[in-house]
Amino acid sequence: ETGVTQSPTHLIKTRGQQVTLRCSSQSGHNTVSWYQQALGQGPQFIFQYYREEENGRGNFPPRFSGLQFPNYSSELNVNALELDDSALYLCASSGQGQGSDTQYFGPGTRLTVL
Amino acid sequence: QQQVKQSPQSLIVQKGGISIINCAYENTAFDYFPWYQQFPGKGPALLIAIRPDVSEKKEGRFTISFNKSAKQFSLHIMDSQPGDSATYFCAARVYQAGTALIFGKGTTLSVSS
Repeated sequence: ETGVTQSPTHLIKTRGQQVTLRCSSQSGHNTVSWYQQALGQGPQFIFQYYREEENGRGNFPPRFSGLQFPNYSSELNVNALELDDSALYLCASSGQGQGSDTQYFGPGTRLTVL
Repeated sequence: QQQVKQSPQSLIVQKGGISIINCAYENTAFDYFPWYQQFPGKGPALLIAIRPDVSEKKEGRFTISFNKSAKQFSLHIMDSQPGDSATYFCAARVYQAGTALIFGKGTTLSVSS
């Protein structure tokens, strides 16, 4: 069973640029959630995708957007990067139905905005 | 109301001792309470989880105690080992935004040998 994978591992961007982060969900999982983890803080929910539709959204501005593909992999796009966007971005996948409570996290993408 | 408050921020325990981390919440709509362990440079990994209709759950050296009336839950790590040194996060699930997890701010545990 393949776990959640994310790419790239690290990324450095400048303020105002755009970035795309990628996530491959665990085999058999159809739900992907994205979280932002600032240094020394707990992860904060950005949004969730289920069967290619946004299923819920946290308190993040519209410049944070996403996609989910038919194979359930997902992308997180951030436009007009700000310094405060520097963080670890985590992707988590989960199944649906009984026993699908658990969200399995990937290793994250460390984004630095200069 | 969407917050999960976690304490202490950091904890130092001797090898073989008991580590206790506490969390509190306000939103009674939370229906699932997992604990995650995170090592530096890694993503969080599920340690143990509980639903509010259960007062205690034990898996190996890890136990969750849940007090529904007080809206509090805690993680106990028995016989703490140096390999347990990590950051621990409590979380709560809410259905308002998909099935979002709301995380506490984390507890950094150091187990001294």
